[in-house]
Amino acid sequence: DAGITQSPRHKVTETGTPVTLRCHQTENHRYMYWYRQDPGHGLRLIHYSYGVKDTDKGEVSDGYSVSRSKTEDFLLTLESATSSQTSVYFCAISEGLGQGGYTFGSGTRLTVV
Amino acid sequence: EDQVTQSPEALRLQEGESSSLNCSYTVSGLRGLFWYRQDPGKGPEFLFTLYSAGEEKEKERLKATLTKKESFLHITAPKPEDSATYLCAVQARQAGTALIFGKGTTLSVSS
Repeated sequence: DAGITQSPRHKVTETGTPVTLRCHQTENHRYMYWYRQDPGHGLRLIHYSYGVKDTDKGEVSDGYSVSRSKTEDFLLTLESATSSQTSVYFCAISEGLGQGGYTFGSGTRLTVV
Repeated sequence: EDQVTQSPEALRLQEGESSSLNCSYTVSGLRGLFWYRQDPGKGPEFLFTLYSAGEEKEKERLKATLTKKESFLHITAPKPEDSATYLCAVQARQAGTALIFGKGTTLSVSS
């Protein structure tokens, strides 16, 4: 999607290893989000950021941490990956309240074996 | 607890056969209701935002409406390219900018 890029697009990793997913935006939006999407659950919020170094937890934050040192980058880290974290991860950006919907990235498919 | 329920889970239509998708919600103070389209292997694509009961938005063959308890996405004379999963989400006043999503309705339109 224009203005937002996720990397990598696909990753296979072993249980117990650390993994970092990256979200990069060129829209200078204040808010950034990490969601996971699983069959039967829909999209669930992991963490979000409302500014540089300002982050908060979402519905399913256990086992995940985030960092935002620059406006354009939002990193999601799985400290020690587990099979339950196999999922498709989406990053999204928004300008703020009353500014319309999110713009989503293309997703990262993560498989933990 | 804020909640979004979409129905049906899956819908099969013939080309030109109009229908509606439902999104019912429970939220303590609605800031906005959002509709997205998601194609396989891609991220959700924003369609509409509705802010108050009675509001309607249209885009090509799609029309979204909102009441105090639910929203409908009406699809008029659908074409095969309308096949996708349609997601509904709500933004609650006390939850900042976070969106709560339903599980989606997968629409298949055959020619």
